[in-house]
Amino acid sequence: EAEVAQSPRYKITEKSQAVAFWCDPISGHATLYWYRQILGQGPELLVQFQDESVVDDSQLPKDRFSAERLKGVDSTLKIQPAELGDSAMYLCASSLGQGILTGELFFGEGSRLTVL
Amino acid sequence: AQSVTQLDSHVSVSEGTPVLLRCNYSSSYSPSLFWYVQHPNKGLQLLLKYTSAATLVKGINGFEAEFKKSETSFHLTKPSAHMSDAAEYFCVVSDLNDYKLSFGAGTTVTVRA
Repeated sequence: EAEVAQSPRYKITEKSQAVAFWCDPISGHATLYWYRQILGQGPELLVQFQDESVVDDSQLPKDRFSAERLKGVDSTLKIQPAELGDSAMYLCASSLGQGILTGELFFGEGSRLTVL
Repeated sequence: AQSVTQLDSHVSVSEGTPVLLRCNYSSSYSPSLFWYVQHPNKGLQLLLKYTSAATLVKGINGFEAEFKKSETSFHLTKPSAHMSDAAEYFCVVSDLNDYKLSFGAGTTVTVRA
């Protein structure tokens, strides 16, 4: 069964350091999403890509966060510098076309970030 | 903008007894509603969805949910809980105005043997 791959699964870093997360969506899925899930809360959308283009990054803290999907396949989310409040699970999801309309997003297992 | 409220942060049931997870939504337009499940150390998985067809929606693993517009609710039920149902459950709403998914805070289900 095809899955969304994410790495690393766990990352511990000190504040002010740079961190990066990688996501490989299900083959053929044009839409890719990065969500942040703070402990005890539901996921919140950080950025949405349609192929290589950013469709929505309104909730991405652009002073420290960046995301790219250069060839419209895999994607990287970067944080520089990391702050204590960035400790969370970072979830990647993908969908065929506009999955938002049907709610059929396929999620990876997430990357858990701890900032010390 | 749309939003959801999951009325219980934690639900504990005995194996073999019914499960009820409550969700109320707010939406200015005709909403689409979903339930996702997240098992420990796993990604979220779609359980079921309502998109303006039948108001009683059946999903995977014996779960079902009923859309009640008059009550703005979309509660999730299962007649008989199994140990494997222990997980985090998220109610999600989207509408044609926003096209974004808004997640509830989640309900943790514990199943006692």
